[in-house]
Amino acid sequence: AQSVTQLDSQVPVFEEAPVELRCNYSSSVSVYLFWYVQYPNQGLQLLLKYLSGSTLVKGINGFEAEFNKSQTSFHLRKPSVHISDTAEYFCAVSDYGGSQGNLIFGKGTKLSVKP
Amino acid sequence: NAGVTQTPKFQVLKTGQSMTLQCAQDMNHEYMSWYRQDPGMGLRLIHYSVGAGITDQGEVPNGYNVSRSTTEDFPLRLLSAAPSQTSVYFCASTLLAEQFFGPGTRLTVL
Repeated sequence: AQSVTQLDSQVPVFEEAPVELRCNYSSSVSVYLFWYVQYPNQGLQLLLKYLSGSTLVKGINGFEAEFNKSQTSFHLRKPSVHISDTAEYFCAVSDYGGSQGNLIFGKGTKLSVKP
Repeated sequence: NAGVTQTPKFQVLKTGQSMTLQCAQDMNHEYMSWYRQDPGMGLRLIHYSVGAGITDQGEVPNGYNVSRSTTEDFPLRLLSAAPSQTSVYFCASTLLAEQFFGPGTRLTVL
């Protein structure tokens, strides 16, 4: 069975500092990987996705993530955060060998950017 | 395109009441899903459908029913609401493994 572990439930960081949100997954088959962002009282918005090809994936709002198959990780990074990046971030995995429409989500990481 | 729409946005129920959360999409996606989101739990899959007439259970299906009579609509029914069903509910449709989420319904069961 697939699972996703987000290693930090909360990450406080100062504005303009770099940030890394960590995500590890487990799966017995090849997967698709996603990062979603949720701003307060809003729905989920796709930040970026890895389906195949280059292991470095660039997304919206200056975020990027690197797929590391040997370490089963898909960490999200941004070199310089803004106050507006304060939100909850979810890592998710989809089994493209099986039920392609179902995502398994991590429990989320709350990013708090302070001035 | 409106994408994925959900109604209502907010709902308060009393224990034992029933209701239907509506979900519709205009992207002609075959695959649709319902999730619930609880603090510290991420999103958990309730039910999903791979096309009209076909539904299946997800991780937390108890207390919920679904049906899929058309490609566009995928309603979620609470048969007898319980306080444990207080949550935010998201509907999603999927194309090529990418999910598109609706804005959510915030449900409180007293």
